[in-house]
Amino acid sequence: GAVVSQHPSWVICKSGTSVKIECRSLDFQATTMFWYRQFPKQSLMLMATSNEGSKATYEQGVEKDKFLINHASLTLSTLTVTSAHPEDSSFYICSAKIRDHHTLEQYFGPGTRLTVT
Amino acid sequence: RKEVEQDPGPFNVPEGATVAFNCTYSNSASQSFFWYRQDCRKEPKLLMSVYSSGNEDGRFTAQLNRASQYISLLIRDSKLSDSATYLCVVNKVNDMRFGAGTRLTVKP
Repeated sequence: GAVVSQHPSWVICKSGTSVKIECRSLDFQATTMFWYRQFPKQSLMLMATSNEGSKATYEQGVEKDKFLINHASLTLSTLTVTSAHPEDSSFYICSAKIRDHHTLEQYFGPGTRLTVT
Repeated sequence: RKEVEQDPGPFNVPEGATVAFNCTYSNSASQSFFWYRQDCRKEPKLLMSVYSSGNEDGRFTAQLNRASQYISLLIRDSKLSDSATYLCVVNKVNDMRFGAGTRLTVKP
């Protein structure tokens, strides 16, 4: 149980285009989903916390107009990287917490590797 | 100062060796603590939670010292398959902070 999927698993796009990444909880409802970014040999950095039906909360330094997050249902959150640039190339990972569950554990998706040329 | 600090390694050890990783955290209000394992180009996977009383899962032992804000992971009888990056994770509600990870390579 507690499986999180991401799509696509990898994407290459040209500079200036937008890319949408989907994060789905497959066998549970997730009130809260998280988006992380990881550059090579660095730790995961939280970008934003996404609650179903409300606006995402962004971490300091993360541009909300560039990284659009939509959490329209209890099983799906999307991250759109708008006007992508080479410096946005990174490994983007989502995670989800089980709705109404007391554990603080988060379940991670397999990640999406974005390369902007 | 980083919120969660780990020795980046790399640790290169022979099979069967015992290896220990340390981690310190700065936020005394942190509530829960974990060790995650991350293989190259993969997502992190939960290895074990860490409790003040210490906990053991097979060859893995985790310890937490809240007074010193220090977490440790001990791996005994290391296997080739233990090669990975080990992430120390500190959590408050909806606020999970990752260390940069300690890279372990176990060699035959």
